[in-house]
Amino acid sequence: QVQLVESGGGVVQPGRSLRLSCAASGFTFSNYGIHWVRQAPGKGLEWVAVISYDGNNKYYADSVKGRFTISRDNSKNRLYLQMNSLRLEDTAVYFCAKDERGYSFGYFGHWGQGTLVTVSS
Amino acid sequence: AIQLTQSPSSLSASVGDRVTITCRASQGISSALAWYQQKPGKAPKLLIYDASTLQSGVPSRFSGSGSGTDFTLTISSLQPEDFAAYYCQQFNEGLTFGGGTKVEIK
Repeated sequence: QVQLVESGGGVVQPGRSLRLSCAASGFTFSNYGIHWVRQAPGKGLEWVAVISYDGNNKYYADSVKGRFTISRDNSKNRLYLQMNSLRLEDTAVYFCAKDERGYSFGYFGHWGQGTLVTVSS
Repeated sequence: AIQLTQSPSSLSASVGDRVTITCRASQGISSALAWYQQKPGKAPKLLIYDASTLQSGVPSRFSGSGSGTDFTLTISSLQPEDFAAYYCQQFNEGLTFGGGTKVEIK
């Protein structure tokens, strides 16, 4: 079965960096675009970034553009999110999610359990 | 960027009620819309995609309709396990989520 497992969350000070990881299994990872979606405490869902199946195309929400970098290693079935210059408003649970259409923009039939990032001084 | 406006933001309903949630797009998105259910502390669960296609394994009391700018998620007979938050999401141009609708017990 499809599994997505995030890791790397934690407490970090404003301005510092953190790298999230998402380990995928149960499907041909290299055939699908994968997204990061976040949810601030008590708030709604916010799309963060997507990377195409081959890693050649990457798109970001305006709120993270220039600070976050999405990448993938298809040989390891892993997705990453490098988060730099973190702000208080980046505090959220971060989910990785598989794009069921296989494209860069679709809908999400499978999600990880999420990893909490807390930005606090 | 395309904005999605969900209404209502919350509602109270009883078991057995028919519940309707609306999602309006700021511009036409054809049928590129999905609906999710999310329970506290859990990841969202896909209910509907392409505006009206029921995801495998989702009970038939859930249905979706609409195209262009106006969409609806309907729960025909609310069950105890349906009390949750619901989100619409468009993927016609970029990707955005609606603000969510919380369905609470009356």
